[in-house]
Amino acid sequence: DAKTTQPPSMDCAEGRAANLPCNHSTISGNEYVYWYRQIHSQGPQYIIHGLKNNETNEMASLIITEDRKSSTLILPHATLRDTAVYYCIVREDNQGGKLIFGQGTELSVKP
Amino acid sequence: DTEVTQTPKHLVMGMTNKKSLKCEQHMGHRAMYWYKQKAKKPPELMFVYSYEKLSINESVPSRFSPECPNSSLLNLHLHALQPEDSALYLCASKAYDSGTEAFFGQGTRLTVV
Repeated sequence: DAKTTQPPSMDCAEGRAANLPCNHSTISGNEYVYWYRQIHSQGPQYIIHGLKNNETNEMASLIITEDRKSSTLILPHATLRDTAVYYCIVREDNQGGKLIFGQGTELSVKP
Repeated sequence: DTEVTQTPKHLVMGMTNKKSLKCEQHMGHRAMYWYKQKAKKPPELMFVYSYEKLSINESVPSRFSPECPNSSLLNLHLHALQPEDSALYLCASKAYDSGTEAFFGQGTRLTVV
């Protein structure tokens, strides 16, 4: 079963920051937080992941709370092309383990 | 090369047909996955292969038969499918190293008639 809870949908104005929350209150110490997104009818695309520290790459920033029970994905300047379903996944990064998707958040970026 | 290539992109098959879906990656990943995705739903895990051996089967019906002939290829053999098996079938691969992401293919859109 998925171990994350996300709001089913969110809107964001183009050019503004999109902040997507994820609750993972049962996360264990060796589980990573991964974010993927899926644009309509395409394969999921990796965005970012983290264990304890906040992370930033060219696509987004990941903020993980100190107790690791929740995180926020930040798209700093959302564009129309960022409209997609965003999935937050927690998983133990052992050999070939399960990667289980929750329901995700459908982000609509509006002009 | 960070691609996972799935073929065909679209497939229409009858309920008595036998067909196969193919997935290929050349990233040296030793974990490979099959997912099924229905419209407006998240991907559902079907199978996991670790070092070319089936390690996880999520209680998938036997009309779906996976095969991993080598470290770069993953097949999904289909036989006697039902219309409700129509879906997007996704393949993914991942390295065993900690803190590495999984890469997904673009999927095969399967329609069973």
